[in-house]
Amino acid sequence: GAVVSQHPSWVICKSGTSVKIECRSLDFQATTMFWYRQFPKQSLMLMATSNEGSKATYEQGVEKDKFLINHASLTLSTLTVTSAHPEDSSFYICSASRGEGGNQPQHFGDGTRLSIL
Amino acid sequence: GEDVEQSLFLSVREGDSSVINCTYTDSSSTYLYWYKQEPGAGLQLLTYIFSNMDMKQDQRLTVLLNKKDKHLSLRIADTQTGDSAIYFCAESRTGTASKLTFGTGTRLQVTL
Repeated sequence: GAVVSQHPSWVICKSGTSVKIECRSLDFQATTMFWYRQFPKQSLMLMATSNEGSKATYEQGVEKDKFLINHASLTLSTLTVTSAHPEDSSFYICSASRGEGGNQPQHFGDGTRLSIL
Repeated sequence: GEDVEQSLFLSVREGDSSVINCTYTDSSSTYLYWYKQEPGAGLQLLTYIFSNMDMKQDQRLTVLLNKKDKHLSLRIADTQTGDSAIYFCAESRTGTASKLTFGTGTRLQVTL
């Protein structure tokens, strides 16, 4: 169990376009989902934490108007990169956690490679 | 703040054991994790250990925790070419969907 699906896996689009990435927990309910950004050969950088039904908590330096996060249900969170520019090109990874008592590890999607031309 | 460090690269021969090390600074760490990332993919949870444990074994994987020295290691027995990947250690404070602090990642290369 604990499968997280992320879609699309790769997207190429023109500068100025908005891009939506979906993150779904397939076999469990995810109270909390996380969005990360990873640059080549680097570790993961947490962008924001989202809890179902409430506003996302963004990390310092992450523009909330640029990276819109919606966590409308216990199995789906979306990240929309608005008016994307080449500097937004990166590998975006989501994770999901049950968020109940005790240890609930984060389970990760396979990531989305975003290339802005 | 929290800091988690790993060596960048490790090369081992197929069949040998691999030991990947990690040090952390946050004494409040409650859970420590090992994740594996293959090229172009997300992270796969390999194993985790609670901070009151010294060791955890799961098939070919053995995790050792020295809480006094804030040192965590992952030993992979009988390393295979399919084990080639980047391995991240991570720590969290409460484990209840709390934030993870990741290490820099160790690239494991398995040679024939």
